[in-house]
Amino acid sequence: GEDVEQSLFLSVREGDSSVINCTYTDSSSTYLYWYKQEPGAGLQLLTYIFSNMDMKQDQRLTVLLNKKDKHLSLRIADTQTGDSAIYFCAGGTDSWGKLQFGAGTQVVVTP
Amino acid sequence: DTGVSQDPRHKITKRGQNVTFRCDPISEHNRLYWYRQTLGQGPEFLTYFQNEAQLEKSRLLSDRFSAERPKGSFSTLEIQRTEQGDSAMYLCAGENGQPTNYGYTFGSGTRLTVV
Repeated sequence: GEDVEQSLFLSVREGDSSVINCTYTDSSSTYLYWYKQEPGAGLQLLTYIFSNMDMKQDQRLTVLLNKKDKHLSLRIADTQTGDSAIYFCAGGTDSWGKLQFGAGTQVVVTP
Repeated sequence: DTGVSQDPRHKITKRGQNVTFRCDPISEHNRLYWYRQTLGQGPEFLTYFQNEAQLEKSRLLSDRFSAERPKGSFSTLEIQRTEQGDSAMYLCAGENGQPTNYGYTFGSGTRLTVV
């Protein structure tokens, strides 16, 4: 099985950049995802990256993948109060199928 | 509205009672997943279906748990003889595996409290 580890908490000021980090153990993880969860809600897919990519950018979101170190990060530019949520990274070995989720990073954006 | 509906949103039950949850994915979701999420943790895989076939079950899914997807559309998750340790958020997710649409669409979940 795969372990996915994340830092538990991140505080960031509005307008700054946030960087959320994740490490995974299974080198056969080929699909890596970031999900966002707001209080009382299900998870919302933010973005994904394939293991043959090093970086993916999608508007304010930038995903970096270091396969050698099995390290994944999500950078949110110009963080807004609406970005306050719990962010989960998740990995899978197939293009679709079950995922292994980290415990989540709670991001708090302060004015 | 994510397009994946779960019912009920909240369920409080006494220990030992049976409960059943329902998930309605969108029609394009060939695969349907059930996950369980406890406080402060990420979702843990329970089981999944491809159309009506249940293809995999986690070791977390004891014999008190059963899931069905009889016509390849909606799915139900039943927990018999509930225990306090079953208290959690039960999440359903759909997926169609198309290259233009990777990733899950989650429902809002059913929060179960066993008292």
